[in-house]
Amino acid sequence: AQSVTQPDIHITVSEGASLELRCNYSYGATPYLFWYVQSPGQGLQLLLKYFSGDTLVQGIKGFEAEFKRSQSSFNLRKPSVHWSDAAEYFCAVGPRTGNQFYFGTGTSLTVIP
Amino acid sequence: DAGITQSPRHKVTETGTPVTLRCHQTENHRYMYWYRQDPGHGLRLIHYSYGVKDTDKGEVSDGYSVSRSKTEDFLLTLESATSSQTSVYFCAIRQGTGLAGGPEDEQFFGPGTRLTVL
Repeated sequence: AQSVTQPDIHITVSEGASLELRCNYSYGATPYLFWYVQSPGQGLQLLLKYFSGDTLVQGIKGFEAEFKRSQSSFNLRKPSVHWSDAAEYFCAVGPRTGNQFYFGTGTSLTVIP
Repeated sequence: DAGITQSPRHKVTETGTPVTLRCHQTENHRYMYWYRQDPGHGLRLIHYSYGVKDTDKGEVSDGYSVSRSKTEDFLLTLESATSSQTSVYFCAIRQGTGLAGGPEDEQFFGPGTRLTVL
């Protein structure tokens, strides 16, 4: 069965510290992977995606993620967190053809001054 | 925001009543989706559409129906609302030229509808 696991429900980091949000997936085929960010009361915004090619992908707002097939992971990283990064982050997986996308349960990020 | 609006933005209704949520887009995208977001579950796909009158079920379609009579509108109907359908509902469109994974292939989400069923 297809699924996405985000093991950390909530993470707190200090402003300026580095960040890594974990994402593991279970998918029967080669996946199409995404990270989204959601600010309170808002819809989701795409941070980055992986489809093929370089396994280290760069996104908006200084985020990057690395696809590791052997570990079925797609972890999100940022070298220096800003207070405005406080939000909820969702990892998602989808088919290369088709429309059934699966989302993780989200990781809530708090940034302390 | 890819020109996506949802209406209503908030609704409180009673168990057993019918409810219809509307998603409207202005950019003529082929693919549209309805998701629900619940704590501890993330987003789950309810139904999606790949063209006028072309729809298919998602992961959690029981209790929901959809219709798409025009490209710009995708309606989600709860025929008889239940308390378990209290949730935040998001509509999304998929932008792209049909080439999956291309630089334009991206889902854009609407602002959401908060539905409470008492």
